Amino acid sequence: GAVVSQHPSWVICKSGTSVKIECRSLDFQATTMFWYRQFPKQSLMLMATSNEGSKATYEQGVEKDKFLINHASLTLSTLTVTSAHPEDSSFYICSASLEGNTEAFFGQGTRLTVV
Amino acid sequence: AQSVSQHNHHVILSEAASLELGCNYSYGGTVNLFWYVQYPGQHLQLLLKYFSGDPLVKGIKGFEAEFIKSKFSFNLRKPSVQWSDTAEYFCAVLSYNTDKLIFGTGTRLQVFP
Repeated sequence: GAVVSQHPSWVICKSGTSVKIECRSLDFQATTMFWYRQFPKQSLMLMATSNEGSKATYEQGVEKDKFLINHASLTLSTLTVTSAHPEDSSFYICSASLEGNTEAFFGQGTRLTVV
Repeated sequence: AQSVSQHNHHVILSEAASLELGCNYSYGGTVNLFWYVQYPGQHLQLLLKYFSGDPLVKGIKGFEAEFIKSKFSFNLRKPSVQWSDTAEYFCAVLSYNTDKLIFGTGTRLQVFP
C-alpha cells in the first residue's frame, strides 16, 4: 500500500512555543490530506481537511489560528501548533488519500507534549 | 450531523473465541466503510473496506465484515481470535457528500491465551 510518513514521531516543547509537524506521501500524490487528533484511549477526531494549493477546511471547534495547516505540494502537508499550551498535548495523526473516494493511508503519528 | 458509533468499548476474549464488533453510522447517501486496526505502539492499518458489490467483505488476518444498508451497520467479525489480535479497532465511514473520513470511538480488544 501507499506510504505516508510523519515527522517528528514525538516532540516536547515549552509552553508558548510553536511546533511544526510534517506529513508526506512518499510514493503517491495526495490532493487531500487529513489531520486528526487522538486523545488517550479515545478515537481520532478530525481537525481539518487539507487540499493542495488552497486553504484548509477546519472542523467545528478547531481554532484555525492555533492549528495552521499548509499544503504546499501534492506530497507535503504541515500542521503548526502555534503558542502551544499543555492542553494541546496529544497524538496528532495525518492521513492522505489517492484521488477519489478510496482508502486513506495514515502516518505513524506525532506525540506532542507541551511542558 | 454525521456520526459513527461503536457499541463495544472494551472486549475481553479468550483465544479461539468468536468476535463481533458493532458499528453503526448515521449518514444519508453513498458511503464507503472501513475497519482499521491499531496495534500497541503502531499506526493505523486497514483491515478491510467496503465500496460496493458483495456486502460481505473479507479482509486481512481472517477478519470479515458485513454491510447491512437497511440497518446502517458494518459489523466486524472473526470466527476465532488469537492473542495477536489484541489491539484497538476503529470503524470509519467516508461520505461521498462531505469527502471526510469519520471514525467511531474505537473498541479495545484484549485476547488472553
